[in-house]
Amino acid sequence: KNEVEQSPQNLTAQEGEFITINCSYSVGISALHWLQQHPGGGIVSLFMLSSGKKKHGRLIATINIQEKHSSLHITASHPRDSAVYICAVRAPNFGNEKLTFGTGTRLTIIP
Amino acid sequence: GAGVSQSPSNKVTEKGKDVELRCDPISGHTALYWYRQSLGQGLEFLIYFQGNSAPDKSGLPSDRFSAERTGGSVSTLTIQRTQQEDSAVYLCASSVLAGGWGTDTQYFGPGTRLTVL
Repeated sequence: KNEVEQSPQNLTAQEGEFITINCSYSVGISALHWLQQHPGGGIVSLFMLSSGKKKHGRLIATINIQEKHSSLHITASHPRDSAVYICAVRAPNFGNEKLTFGTGTRLTIIP
Repeated sequence: GAGVSQSPSNKVTEKGKDVELRCDPISGHTALYWYRQSLGQGLEFLIYFQGNSAPDKSGLPSDRFSAERTGGSVSTLTIQRTQQEDSAVYLCASSVLAGGWGTDTQYFGPGTRLTVL
């Protein structure tokens, strides 16, 4: 069982739909990151969360520390949002400050 | 300003040869991370440098892998006697500082795609 689990693994939606990607983890953490990996392979850090909610443009990330769960939402989705979205946690139990990654959610937005 | 850069962008080598991969972090970033992503696999942590502290090498898959960070800036990941299973994209990231609840966004480089024939 992975320490960080994401769902769904794959998601296809029509342009304009509201998107939710989920991340669950198994131990206490100091921070959670959401990353975006484009088809060309480049990785962009979207958010780092330790509590509550953050918003950037059409992207919203929330975290519930008690439930060990985070969600990434995309409003008014667009084909350019198509990418793999990766959740990663930073936790002392996993060793110092390294990140442990989920397997990613592949999002495809159809025009 | 300049982001994290890595070189080479692509490297093809023969099984058994040694390779060196380079990472130039963002200037002023004290933390530097190496990850790899094998085909169809998720990201995997390899090694972490923070300032002058001893690096966290807990993610290195074997003693064929080593990394250095000279002068607290540039880092080199060395893979000795490469094997086909070493084929992957090797990613470097840097951050301002690590620890606690502070802002610690990691900035990723474009990666080096290593192919071992």
